[in-house]
Amino acid sequence: DIVMTQSPDSLAVSLGERATINCKSSQSVLYSSNNENYIAWYQQKPGQPPKLLIYWASTRESGVPDRFSGSGSGTDFTLTISSLQAEDVAVYYCQQYYDIPLTFGPGTKVDI
Amino acid sequence: EVQLVESGGGLVQPGGSLRLSCAASGFTFNNYWMHWVRQAPGKGLVWVSRLNSDGSTTDYADSVKGRFTISRDTTKNTLYLQMDSLRAEDTAVYFCTRVRTMVITDAFDIWGQGTMVTVSS
Repeated sequence: DIVMTQSPDSLAVSLGERATINCKSSQSVLYSSNNENYIAWYQQKPGQPPKLLIYWASTRESGVPDRFSGSGSGTDFTLTISSLQAEDVAVYYCQQYYDIPLTFGPGTKVDI
Repeated sequence: EVQLVESGGGLVQPGGSLRLSCAASGFTFNNYWMHWVRQAPGKGLVWVSRLNSDGSTTDYADSVKGRFTISRDTTKNTLYLQMDSLRAEDTAVYFCTRVRTMVITDAFDIWGQGTMVTVSS
C-alpha cells in the first residue's frame, strides 16, 4: 500500500498570511506514460463531506479560489493557501489515486 | 444539479448486516466509476471500495474484503454497499463519491453528505 503522510498535523495562521501543508507518499505517484502525478487535495469542514480542491497535484478544480495552489512531483507535494481567509478553516487531506488501495493522508487542521 | 444522496445507515449489532444506498442525479450515472469512502468519528478518510461503470469490476480495502459488496443498479441510478458481518471498527460515516472523469482513476469531484453507520450492542 502507498502510505501518505502529512505535515504539520495542525497549524494556526493569521488572516491574510500564507499556509503551507506538506504531503509525502511512500512511493512515487508519477505515472511515466502521461507525466501526471496522481495526487488530489481535499478540504473538509465540520459536518460536511470533503471538497475537491486540486487534482493532478497542481490543477485547481473549477470554482476553487486561486489562493489555493498545489505543487510537487514524485513523492513530495505541497498545498499552499496564499492568503488565508476565515472560510479556509478546515482539515485538508491529500490523496493518492495512483494505485489500489487508494489512500489518504491523516489530515492537517488549519486554524486562524 | 449533480448530486449524490446516501441512505440506509443506522445502528446495528456486531455481526449484523446493513445495505447502504446512494442515489445519483444530474449526470449520466452509467458512465462513471463510483466509490465508497468512510470516516470514523473524529478520524480521517479511508477508502472502502470501487465499482466500474458497468458494474463488472470491483475492488475492496483489505479491511472489508469478503464482508462488503459494492453494486449498482443502472436503471435506478443507484450505488449500493452491502455490509455483512459488521464489526465495531466499521462504525463510521460512509460517503459515496464519483470519479471526476470517465476513466478508471481520477480524483473524487462529487461527494454525498454521508450516512452514519454505528455497530454496537
